[in-house]
Amino acid sequence: QVQLQESGPGLVKPSQTLSLTCTVSGGSISSGSYYWNWIRQPAGKGLEWIGRIYPSGTTNYNPSLKSRVTILVDTSKNQFSLELSSVTAADTAVYYCAREDFTDSGFDPWGQGALVTVSS
Amino acid sequence: QSALTQPASVSGSPGQSITISCTGTSSDVGGYNYVSWYQQHPGTAPKLLIYDVSKRPSGVSNRFSGSKSGNTASLTISGLQADDDTDYYCSSYSGTSTYVFGTGTKVTVL
Repeated sequence: QVQLQESGPGLVKPSQTLSLTCTVSGGSISSGSYYWNWIRQPAGKGLEWIGRIYPSGTTNYNPSLKSRVTILVDTSKNQFSLELSSVTAADTAVYYCAREDFTDSGFDPWGQGALVTVSS
Repeated sequence: QSALTQPASVSGSPGQSITISCTGTSSDVGGYNYVSWYQQHPGTAPKLLIYDVSKRPSGVSNRFSGSKSGNTASLTISGLQADDDTDYYCSSYSGTSTYVFGTGTKVTVL
């Protein structure tokens, strides 16, 4: 079955750009039937939807983060990525990637999550 | 785009049924049949329990059921078990191709 795995630096300095990659295995990211999402969760807090991308490159972002977020897809590597600029301590969180069916409303499956800490 | 409102905690005894509410607005929960529910054990990724308000993915126990009335969606867990003692989140499509999550509910099995 499809599996997702996040990867990237676990420590980012304030004002810099956070970059994460989600690698999809067991299926093609180009299948056309799914959106590919990023979701984050600060320690001890709730989930926040960051945004999503369709294999064509079409993106949708959380309005509260839109000015700082870029999501890209690399179909040749079966990966999609997240860039979050001008980070502060408030961006410290576990970042998850997740698949969303084109016709259904659920996020499934999810990656295991990657902890990113913003600190100097 | 404000988070959907869930009770901070709900508790019940083994074998009982409990219901978790998820309140939004006519711009999210009330406007679309695109509500989903997730179970999250500590240190692990959320697991999809319910999608499209009341549909269950294959492999999810039929003890979990979802419904919606107006701007409030609900998750009911019947036959409460020890393993149900954890966190639950709702999510809803909120228009303009965006999503919003609920504040989260801690379920305690007494």
